[in-house]
Amino acid sequence: ETGVTQSPTHLIKTRGQQVTLRCSSQSGHNTVSWYQQALGQGPQFIFQYYREEENGRGNFPPRFSGLQFPNYSSELNVNALELDDSALYLCAGGPGLNTGELFFGEGSRLTVL
Amino acid sequence: GIQVEQSPPDLILQEGANSTLRCNFSDSVNNLQWFHQNPWGQLINLFYIPSGTKQNGRLSATTVATERYSLLYISSSQTTDSGVYFCAVKAAGNKLTFGGGTRVLVKP
Repeated sequence: ETGVTQSPTHLIKTRGQQVTLRCSSQSGHNTVSWYQQALGQGPQFIFQYYREEENGRGNFPPRFSGLQFPNYSSELNVNALELDDSALYLCAGGPGLNTGELFFGEGSRLTVL
Repeated sequence: GIQVEQSPPDLILQEGANSTLRCNFSDSVNNLQWFHQNPWGQLINLFYIPSGTKQNGRLSATTVATERYSLLYISSSQTTDSGVYFCAVKAAGNKLTFGGGTRVLVKP
């Protein structure tokens, strides 16, 4: 049990649509970060939020955006979906900014047709 | 940015065998984690080990931070050990950088 839950587990969208993925983390997880994992590869960092503000971003375009809420929940929004956005999206919770163990949710598997 | 390399990329074991997985990284780190990813995609925390040695049952890990590598040992492997093992590190900054993973298949 990691204390991080994600929804939905699977979803299918068509190119050009928008998607919102959700993450709920346990109390004490002050940071939430999102990762994209393409098939056969390791997860890639999208961005991190700390106390409801973005605190670092990987090499992803602005159509990837996020929110963190005071109740330790978070959203990842992706606009104008492309076929290459098909991937497993992982949310991770952690205690602090630069140190501490991260715990991952089970992921949301997105297929873009 | 920091580079993380894992070896071997693939490993086939007979049940009961021992194995060592290696993770090399290119810069100083303040966080290193080992994960096991199951077939459904869940990343399961194995070790949080920026330095030193830890053991948990049949698994143990050692990180030599000054030489920029970490090792994961699997002893008496079982079929349930199959899956992908990832090493991930955090240098200065806020993101975990993952290696490419080691795909392990344990045959009965």
